[in-house]
Amino acid sequence: ETGVTQTPRHLVMGMTNKKSLKCEQHLGHNAMYWYKQSAKKPLELMFVYNFKEQTENNSVPSRFSPECPNSSHLFLHLHTLQPEDSALYLCASSPGRFAAGYFGPGTRLTVT
Amino acid sequence: AQTVTQSQPEMSVQEAETVTLSCTYDTSESDYYLFWYKQPPSRQMILVIRQEAYKQQNATENRFSVNFQKAAKSFSLKISDSQLGDAAMYFCAYRSASENNNDMRFGAGTRLTVKP
Repeated sequence: ETGVTQTPRHLVMGMTNKKSLKCEQHLGHNAMYWYKQSAKKPLELMFVYNFKEQTENNSVPSRFSPECPNSSHLFLHLHTLQPEDSALYLCASSPGRFAAGYFGPGTRLTVT
Repeated sequence: AQTVTQSQPEMSVQEAETVTLSCTYDTSESDYYLFWYKQPPSRQMILVIRQEAYKQQNATENRFSVNFQKAAKSFSLKISDSQLGDAAMYFCAYRSASENNNDMRFGAGTRLTVKP
């Protein structure tokens, strides 16, 4: 394990539900990321936080709302998702913006 | 925008043999970082190797080495003495060194099978 944990590991939610994904890193890193991994598509960077400040939002729909209360925790709040949002959501952290990312195990999300 | 291309969706190698995974990228930047990540089935993605564009020397990590050709925008990964545990999806990734660009681009991945 790399020191980045994610909960829950699996989530099934209806289109009208509200849920949150949690990521925690125990590595003392300053930057945290959310990625979306869909079948047969490259990883897509969704959000970047550097020292708790959001520095990147790659045109992600507003039904995804990130929160970074401190440099160790990152949340992804989900509401009114669509079936095409079903994917593996990966959290990563890095000691700096230009360093390699250390990934968590991911949350497998299924939207029904 | 930078793009990363992995032209080999699947590769296979005999145990103990050597295999090379291809990666090309498109960028107008001169300073950047390149990475290879490994994602075993149902397991976490882990960093395999990293290369800084300003370094001419190819990075190596034990049985893993890269062939970085900056002019050709090519960044291939060579796995020597392949082991069964090397079976995984391998992703090539690009990150700009620009202060204003936090994006990290990944290729579509290459699935490596290791035959005993």
